Amino acid sequence: NAGVTQTPKFQVLKTGQSMTLQCAQDMNHEYMSWYRQDPGMGLRLIHYSVGAGITDQGEVPNGYNVSRSTTEDFPLRLLSAAPSQTSVYFCASTESASGEDTQYFGPGTRLTVL
Amino acid sequence: RKEVEQDPGPFNVPEGATVAFNCTYSNSASQSFFWYRQDCRKEPKLLMSVYSSGNEDGRFTAQLNRASQYISLLIRDSKLSDSATYLCVVKGQGAQKLVFGQGTRLTINP
Repeated sequence: NAGVTQTPKFQVLKTGQSMTLQCAQDMNHEYMSWYRQDPGMGLRLIHYSVGAGITDQGEVPNGYNVSRSTTEDFPLRLLSAAPSQTSVYFCASTESASGEDTQYFGPGTRLTVL
Repeated sequence: RKEVEQDPGPFNVPEGATVAFNCTYSNSASQSFFWYRQDCRKEPKLLMSVYSSGNEDGRFTAQLNRASQYISLLIRDSKLSDSATYLCVVKGQGAQKLVFGQGTRLTINP
């Protein structure tokens, strides 16, 4: 199993550009989530999904969209990038829809918005 | 007040020492508690869950104090490889979201 994979590993955007961060897992996990990690802030939840076709907002959803058309994939879209979105983004998956089991994280995407 | 608070450190301790961190949480309805470890520029990984009765995994001991709303992590006989950031994680009853603390950075010195 590859576990949780994320692409790209690094990305530089200009203000106003849009892009999609890809996340995939091959463990047939129901629960997937996106976090951003900023210095001194810990990980903050952006969006999460408890199964295909179901998504919900986390703590910091503004400026981001998600969709969950399959169990495996959970892409995160930045609609119009802003410097405040410079961060490290982690995707995670968990076996149960309660989110209570071990969270498996992808390696992260380091995004810089100029 | 943050929902989960940790002393960010850094903690610098000599190899072989015992080190302990605390983490406080504000939601008294929280039901599940975890410690994650994050190495520099890597993803977080589960270190251990924290149970009401306290639990031990080798050199690591985790304890929960519901009355005072804090959890602790004790590392005995610390190794150089224990250098990392330790994240306190809390989940509320019925919630589908985990809340992460900002992390405590630990450096073990030879």
